[in-house]
Formats: sequence, C-alpha cells, structure tokens
Amino acid sequence: NAGVTQTPKFQVLKTGQSMTLQCAQDMNHEYMSWYRQDPGMGLRLIHYSVGAGITDQGEVPNGYNVSRSTTEDFPLRLLSAAPSQTSVYFCASSYGGPTTIYEQYFGPGTRLTVT
Amino acid sequence: DAKTTQPPSMDCAEGRAANLPCNHSTISGNEYVYWYRQIHSQGPQYIIHGLKNNETNEMASLIITEDRKSSTLILPHATLRDTAVYYCIVRRAASKLTFGTGTRLQVTL
Repeated sequence: NAGVTQTPKFQVLKTGQSMTLQCAQDMNHEYMSWYRQDPGMGLRLIHYSVGAGITDQGEVPNGYNVSRSTTEDFPLRLLSAAPSQTSVYFCASSYGGPTTIYEQYFGPGTRLTVT
Repeated sequence: DAKTTQPPSMDCAEGRAANLPCNHSTISGNEYVYWYRQIHSQGPQYIIHGLKNNETNEMASLIITEDRKSSTLILPHATLRDTAVYYCIVRRAASKLTFGTGTRLQVTL
C-alpha cells in the first residue's frame, strides 16, 4: 500500500491565484481530512469527509473548498490564495466515521508559499 | 474535548527510557488519550491510545493514572530517531483531532 499520498510536495503561488492540493489513499478509508500547520504551531483542521459525497467544515475552513467524489480522493482547493495561507498542508485518513477510535494516517505534506 | 498540558521540551539520553507526561484533569469518562509524534517536518505518526487501562505496543507504553487525570508515554529505549514533537490528545473519537504544541523530545548521545 502507498498509504496517503499528497501532490505537489512544494508549491509557490502569487496572491489571488487558485490551485488544488491533491490527496489520495489506497486503504479504503471512509474518513479523510485536511489540516494546516503554521510554523511553530500544532495542526488545525480545515475540512473533513466521512465518505464519498459528504464533507464538513473544521476549525479553519475559510478560503478553502473540498469535495469527495470517490473514496480514494479528497482534493483541497484554494479559491484565491492569500499570504495568510502560507503553511504546510497535511491530509489524513482513517477507518470509520466521525466517531471512529482508529488512528489517523497522515500524508507527507504539501509546503505552500503564497507571495 | 479535554484540555491537555505538556512540557514544551525534554531531553533524553540514547538508550534510556523517555517518559513524556501529559495532564488532562478535565477528561470525561468516554474520552480516549491519543499520542502522536511528528518527526522534523513529516506528517504526524500515530503511536498509541488508551481509555482506562495501560497499553503497550511495539513503539511505546501508555500509563494512565487511576483517576485518568494524567498519563505518561514511555519510549523504553530511546534512539536518535525518536527525536520529535510528541502530541497528547484527549478526545472521544480519533477524528477531528486538535493538535497543540506538544513536547519536543531531544534524544542525545
């Protein structure tokens, strides 16, 4: 299994540009989520999904959109990039729904810089 | 979710046991204690979790006090590769985790 994969690894955007961060998992996990980590800080939840066609907002959803058309993929879209969105973005997945007690598997991250 | 308190940093000599404490005095009866770690800039890695009983796996042991208000993660024989930030998270479910700033463990020769 490849686990959780994220592309790209690095990205530089100009203010106002849009882009999609890709996340895929091959473990047939129902639950997937996106976090951001700012320098020296812990991770904060952006959006999550409990299955194909179902998404919900996390702690810091503004400026981001998600969709879940398949079990495997959970892309994160930046609508109009701002310097405040400079961060490292992590995707995670796990068995079960929102009440699962199973551990989450994290991807390697995408390092995004907005100038 | 119960609030957790961890020391910002700890040192440990290689080969010795690393004992990382976590206080969670407001934990409720159905909340689990989860431990993750983040090595350098990689994605967080699950270590262990428990509800009431002590738990052990191939990576670590988790000791939860009888009143459940605190816990200790034990790495029995720390190596340089265990240098990381360790996060203690208390939550009913493993989803929608809230990561604080954790404990930065430095393992030295």
